[in-house]
Amino acid sequence: GESVGLHLPTLSVQEGDNSIINCAYSNSASDYFIWYKQESGKGPQFIIDIRSNMDKRQGQRVTVLLNKTVKHLSLQIAATQPGDSAVYFCAENEGGGNKLTFGTGTQLKVEL
Amino acid sequence: DAGVIQSPRHEVTEMGQEVTLRCKPISGHNSLFWYRQTMMRGLELLIYFNNNVPIDDSGMPEDRFSAKMPNASFSTLKIQPSEPRDSAVYFCASSFGSSGSREQYFGPGTRLTVT
Repeated sequence: GESVGLHLPTLSVQEGDNSIINCAYSNSASDYFIWYKQESGKGPQFIIDIRSNMDKRQGQRVTVLLNKTVKHLSLQIAATQPGDSAVYFCAENEGGGNKLTFGTGTQLKVEL
Repeated sequence: DAGVIQSPRHEVTEMGQEVTLRCKPISGHNSLFWYRQTMMRGLELLIYFNNNVPIDDSGMPEDRFSAKMPNASFSTLKIQPSEPRDSAVYFCASSFGSSGSREQYFGPGTRLTVT
């Protein structure tokens, strides 16, 4: 029979456009959040992190926004490039322990 | 600097055989994590160690799975006996474990196929 897998949300953007990837987290006690990028055949790679005492943090071409009121995290990628095509995961951590809880991921496809 | 090293990169084995996956964390990191990734369940934490001691093994699916960390530079994940449903990509990750940065660095993964 047909196997049922996770249905990854997919975001398709044109090269050069900005991308916004969203993530809802579940634990209101989480105080640290990370975005990872996973390219096909590779392990997840760190993109950017943010602590709960911040609302916004910027990196090179990326910005993470945190809204603790609605437990929402977003990753903005400016001027999206073909090399940005990957699955993006958010992860949360509570209270300084080492364990990260990962979301299901979003597939970003960059169209030329 | 070398990142997290995993071996083998690919493993194909028959049902019932023992499988051992290996991981060398980044030097100086004191936390080590084993994850499993499948299309069905996504990225799952199996077990993690802090200073070579297992802290949380609640993600280990069943007694067929075991993990050890005999020293700070080496860990193994063993499946015995293996079953087709164990087919997945297994990732090892390490972190410095401080409250400052909780970033985990992932290895390239081991793709396990059990026939």
